[in-house]
Amino acid sequence: DIQMTQSPSTLSASVGDRVIITCRASQSISTWLAWFQQKPGKAPNLLIYEASTLQSGVPSRFSGSGSGAEFTLTISSLQPDDFATYYCQQYNSYVTFGGGTKVEIK
Amino acid sequence: EVQLVESGGGLVQPGRSLRLSCVASGFTFDDCALHWVRQAPGKGLEWVSGITWNSGNMGYADSVKGRFTISRDNAKNSLYLQMNSLRVEDTALYYCVKGADYGSSGYTDYWGQGTLVTVSS
Repeated sequence: DIQMTQSPSTLSASVGDRVIITCRASQSISTWLAWFQQKPGKAPNLLIYEASTLQSGVPSRFSGSGSGAEFTLTISSLQPDDFATYYCQQYNSYVTFGGGTKVEIK
Repeated sequence: EVQLVESGGGLVQPGRSLRLSCVASGFTFDDCALHWVRQAPGKGLEWVSGITWNSGNMGYADSVKGRFTISRDNAKNSLYLQMNSLRVEDTALYYCVKGADYGSSGYTDYWGQGTLVTVSS
């Protein structure tokens, strides 16, 4: 089974900050990686798939990069609506999620 | 508009069974793989099981293998999860999730709102 490791688990930041979240796979998954945002009491929302393709309707301040086993999600300028928990997901072989990164207000 | 509506959750004693259902609308049901993903209270997302478009391939997390069975009825636009031998650690919100592809390797693009399963004596 493919394991996904996210870091950090918690991140404190201010509005306007550049935020970077990292996700590592236990083996190469090419670019079969997606990112999700989840707010309290809500279902996760797809942000990015195939490592760097922005889902329709997602603001351009979100971007993804990486291939193989190391990936990043970048928020170029953190907005109030972005305080949430973020998950990576591999889909090279069924689906596995990372442990999540909670982005908190500093 | 894509909609996934789960039902069947509730309070159940350890060792008992429960069957979850999900009715889908707003997309071509038999074009897509489907999944169950769960989230224990205050915890992260855990993939539980997935099924390809034609039920030709099913996958399970190690934590539920041998106890849970996924199935689908394309004529009824419905997905199911039969959960047997339930454990306290199966307590979670269970999401029905649409795959973006028909096969086992595709990202998930739409989620239901979840149905809560509580396993307790």
